[in-house]
Amino acid sequence: KAGVTQTPRYLIKTRGQQVTLSCSPISGHRSVSWYQQTPGQGLQFLFEYFSETQRNKGNFPGRFSGRQFSNSRSEMNVSTLELGDSALYLCASSFAQGNTGELFFGEGSRLTVL
Amino acid sequence: GQQLNQSPQSMFIQEGEDVSMNCTSSSIFNTWLWYKQDPGEGPVLLIALYKAGELTSNGRLTAQFGITRKDSFLNISASIPSDVGIYFCAGQLIGGNYQLIWGAGTKLIIKP
Repeated sequence: KAGVTQTPRYLIKTRGQQVTLSCSPISGHRSVSWYQQTPGQGLQFLFEYFSETQRNKGNFPGRFSGRQFSNSRSEMNVSTLELGDSALYLCASSFAQGNTGELFFGEGSRLTVL
Repeated sequence: GQQLNQSPQSMFIQEGEDVSMNCTSSSIFNTWLWYKQDPGEGPVLLIALYKAGELTSNGRLTAQFGITRKDSFLNISASIPSDVGIYFCAGQLIGGNYQLIWGAGTKLIIKP
């Protein structure tokens, strides 16, 4: 069973640009969550999608957005990039929303903003 | 927002030593989970706890769901080099919307 796949793995952008990250969940998983991880800040929850609907949202500005497609694949977008957006962005999938809290994470997309 | 207090922030240990870390909160949780993140990887679930007082083992790892529902601990016995990484606790609040609340992580480092 293939795991959670995130693309791209690494990317470098400059301030003001926008970026789109992609996540393919485990087959059969319908819930996708996104997290931002920076050194010393742990995992900061961005949003969760289930059946193409955003179910939960963290405390991030509107520059951070996402969507989920009918095949459960998800994308997140960050517009007008700032230096502080440099981070590892992790996607996690689970069979159902909330479920048991058991999330399966991808390897992440490491974004560097110059 | 809700916070989980995870401690210690980092640990320097000798190979073979036992390790203990914990998470506490002022809120009540109905689920506690422990994840481990290896360098360059995403977190992987180690142990999930669903009942107050529950004690669960996974090899050399043992975790407990505190009886007050406000805390959990993770013990690692006889540490080995591959135990190096960041350990995260996470919980689901009672009456919450299933969203996981995460601790800041405990970084485990093996002293050479």
